[in-house]
Amino acid sequence: AQSVAQPEDQVNVAEGNPLTVKCTYSVSGNPYLFWYVQYPNRGLQFLLKYITGDNLVKGSYGFEAEFNKSQTSFHLKKPSALVSDSALYFCAVKPHDKIIFGKGTRLHILP
Amino acid sequence: DTAVSQTPKYLVTQMGNDKSIKCEQNLGHDTMYWYKQDSKKFLKIMFSYNNKELIINETVPNRFSPKSPDKAHLNLHINSLELGDSAVYFCASSQDLDSNEKLFFGSGTQLSVL
Repeated sequence: AQSVAQPEDQVNVAEGNPLTVKCTYSVSGNPYLFWYVQYPNRGLQFLLKYITGDNLVKGSYGFEAEFNKSQTSFHLKKPSALVSDSALYFCAVKPHDKIIFGKGTRLHILP
Repeated sequence: DTAVSQTPKYLVTQMGNDKSIKCEQNLGHDTMYWYKQDSKKFLKIMFSYNNKELIINETVPNRFSPKSPDKAHLNLHINSLELGDSAVYFCASSQDLDSNEKLFFGSGTQLSVL
């Protein structure tokens, strides 16, 4: 079965420190990979995507993600966290005709 | 202008009632979706429509009936509401079904069934 795993329910990081939110996937073929962010009482917003090419993808708000084919991972990273980064983050894959979302990771940036 | 707008934002109703949620996108996209987000924030696709045609129906009970009068609108009608239907429902759109383009989400409709 095709799936996306976000192993951490919550990640706590001190402001100014680097952050990583983990994502691994299990799908056939070469899927498209995405990260979305959800702020309270809002819909999801697109952060970045990997289609092909350079394994390091840069996106909105200073976020980036690294695609690792051998580990089937697509971890989200940011060099220096801001309190305003606190939100719910979803990894997603699109193997064919629909997008499959992970269960989400709540990122909490401590002032 | 809001790219994907859905109404109402909140919906509180009794078990057994019938209700509708409306969604409109002004992005000129061909594909629209309904997602359900449960209390644990898990997001699951329900339906997708491409140019008014149903493409994906993810084993959703037939009490849920989507209707797409044109490609800019995808409404969701729910018959005989049950307690388990309580969730946040998100409408979304994308350029088309097969592309690698991102989804644009509405701000959600919080449905509470009492």
